[in-house]
Amino acid sequence: LAKTTQPISMDSYEGQEVNITCSHNNIATNDYITWYQQFPSQGPRFIIQGYKTKVTNEVASLFIPADRKSSTLSLPRVSLSDTAVYYCLVGDMRNFNKFYFGSGTKLNVKP
Amino acid sequence: GAGVSQSPSNKVTEKGKDVELRCDPISGHTALYWYRQSLGQGLEFLIYFQGNSAPDKSGLPSDRFSAERTGGSVSTLTIQRTQQEDSAVYLCASSPAPGDQPQHFGDGTRLSIL
Repeated sequence: LAKTTQPISMDSYEGQEVNITCSHNNIATNDYITWYQQFPSQGPRFIIQGYKTKVTNEVASLFIPADRKSSTLSLPRVSLSDTAVYYCLVGDMRNFNKFYFGSGTKLNVKP
Repeated sequence: GAGVSQSPSNKVTEKGKDVELRCDPISGHTALYWYRQSLGQGLEFLIYFQGNSAPDKSGLPSDRFSAERTGGSVSTLTIQRTQQEDSAVYLCASSPAPGDQPQHFGDGTRLSIL
């Protein structure tokens, strides 16, 4: 089961780009990388998923280097409402057991 | 509703009592997961259901914890003889098929053991 390592917390200011990096040295060939966002008193919410290279959607981009041992979630021009905990997890989509959420990164966006 | 629904949203009970937590997954989702989240911590996997298959109980912390899923839909997580360390938010999620992302989460049940 591939475990992940993320910074415990990060600070940013409104309008800045934020990059959160996750390490997953033991990622397996069939594992995908998924990021979730969690606000206080709510369940986590899916942000983005990828396998390799770059994935972009309307809220974020995900950069995955060739060795896939890390990934970076990029949030463009953050606002106060992006203050949340961000979780990186890896898992095998074909042979599901359980996905490891870890402790996440607490992003604090300041005005 | 379109999302995962959990009830109650809050539960306060005395140590030693039994509690039941309910999860209504999104209609049509065959996979259902229970997680526990202690204050300021990440999510801890508890149990996973897939259709009518035997559940994966590998994450249950003790034999005081059990869960069932009736008719492939609603699930109940039961904690017997509650202890103070059981205090946490219990989250339920569902997905269309095993391993599918995204998992759709409910907002959890906040359980407080006095």
